[in-house]
Amino acid sequence: GQQVMQIPQYQHVQEGEDFTTYCNSSTTLSNIQWYKQRPGGHPVFLIQLVKSGEVKKQKRLTFQFGEAKKNSSLHITATQTTDVGTYFCAGPSAGSNYQLIWGAGTKLIIKP
Amino acid sequence: NAGVTQTPKFQVLKTGQSMTLQCAQDMNHEYMSWYRQDPGMGLRLIHYSVGAGITDQGEVPNGYNVSRSTTEDFPLRLLSAAPSQTSVYFCASSYGGGREETQYFGPGTRLLVL
Repeated sequence: GQQVMQIPQYQHVQEGEDFTTYCNSSTTLSNIQWYKQRPGGHPVFLIQLVKSGEVKKQKRLTFQFGEAKKNSSLHITATQTTDVGTYFCAGPSAGSNYQLIWGAGTKLIIKP
Repeated sequence: NAGVTQTPKFQVLKTGQSMTLQCAQDMNHEYMSWYRQDPGMGLRLIHYSVGAGITDQGEVPNGYNVSRSTTEDFPLRLLSAAPSQTSVYFCASSYGGGREETQYFGPGTRLLVL
């Protein structure tokens, strides 16, 4: 069945270092969404990418959608403690008009 | 606007007990859904609804029932709790269909089944 794979599962960084998470779909996606979940919190929408090759920036966060619309990435420049949390990607299910398929998430951990 | 609200925040059940997790939204969203989140597995869809009176199964529906009598409310019922249902449950809503629209999540219910 359709899968959305997200890597790595965890990333430990020193504050100020960069962070990247990658999302790979087994099928072509019409769009991809990214969410952030703070520890003990709930997922919060960050952005949606729709166009092939699209790049969007939100301050220190850069989101990319691949040319084939099967992969996406989120890059954070110069991480801060406020970036700590788990980042999820999600894409539309090919078998349903109403369902999203979620990646397992990448947990960003700032080393003390 | 309160957004999406969920009650209770925490619950401990014994195996075999039943309970209802409440979810309400005040954004007049047509689409509502229930997810469970387990460590390392992301979010898995349990049930969803595209409007009052219309519900359908998601990826992991067994052991759960839902109904949607109003636009605002979408309760999730555990019929006979099992330890495998220990998880964090999130309710979400969106303006239109679930695939293309921003999902707004509630704060979650943390459930422990002994």
